[in-house]
Amino acid sequence: DAKTTQPTSMDCAEGRAANLPCNHSTISGNEYVYWYRQIHSQGPQYIIHGLKNNETNEMASLIITEDRKSSTLILPHATLRDTAVYYCIVEPITTGANSKLTFGKGITLSVRP
Amino acid sequence: NAGVTQNPKFQVLKTGQSMTLQCAQDMNHNSMYWYRQDPGMGLRLIYYSASEGTTDKGEVPNGYNVSRLNKREFSLRLESAAPSQTSVYFCASSGFTSPSGRVYEQYFGPGTRLTVT
Repeated sequence: DAKTTQPTSMDCAEGRAANLPCNHSTISGNEYVYWYRQIHSQGPQYIIHGLKNNETNEMASLIITEDRKSSTLILPHATLRDTAVYYCIVEPITTGANSKLTFGKGITLSVRP
Repeated sequence: NAGVTQNPKFQVLKTGQSMTLQCAQDMNHNSMYWYRQDPGMGLRLIYYSASEGTTDKGEVPNGYNVSRLNKREFSLRLESAAPSQTSVYFCASSGFTSPSGRVYEQYFGPGTRLTVT
């Protein structure tokens, strides 16, 4: 079972920031928060991950609350190409060779012109 | 680099037929995975291979077998296809991305769309 809860869908206007919430109230100390997205009919694409500090890369920012029970993925300037299903996933990063991911249903983001 | 490639892209089978889905990666990754995705659902892990020569069951392994042929290739076999196996199948790979050996992200292929009638 997925360890995260996400709204089913949301939309935002092109050029505006998209803030995608995720609840993970049972997260353990060794578990990371990952975000992936899946554009229609394609394979999922890694976006970002974090443990407890906020993270930023060229695609997005990840804000994790101090108690780590929730997080928000921020796309600072959404474009039409960001329309996709976004998955918030909580899993431990292993020091071994496997990192299994448990996908829920994700949140469908629709960016409108 | 091509990344993760999958063949075929589309396949229609009759109930009871067998087939093998092919997956290859050119990123020198140790780990490879097979997922299935049913309409409106997230991905579910079928089998994975932590390293060459090893395979393990995931969440939904029944009706499937896998072979890690070498470091590059990981195949998924349906011995006797059933309509319940109609799905989109994704292969993925991951590798060590830091000196600590921690694994951060999986790279996915474009998928194989399988219909079993």
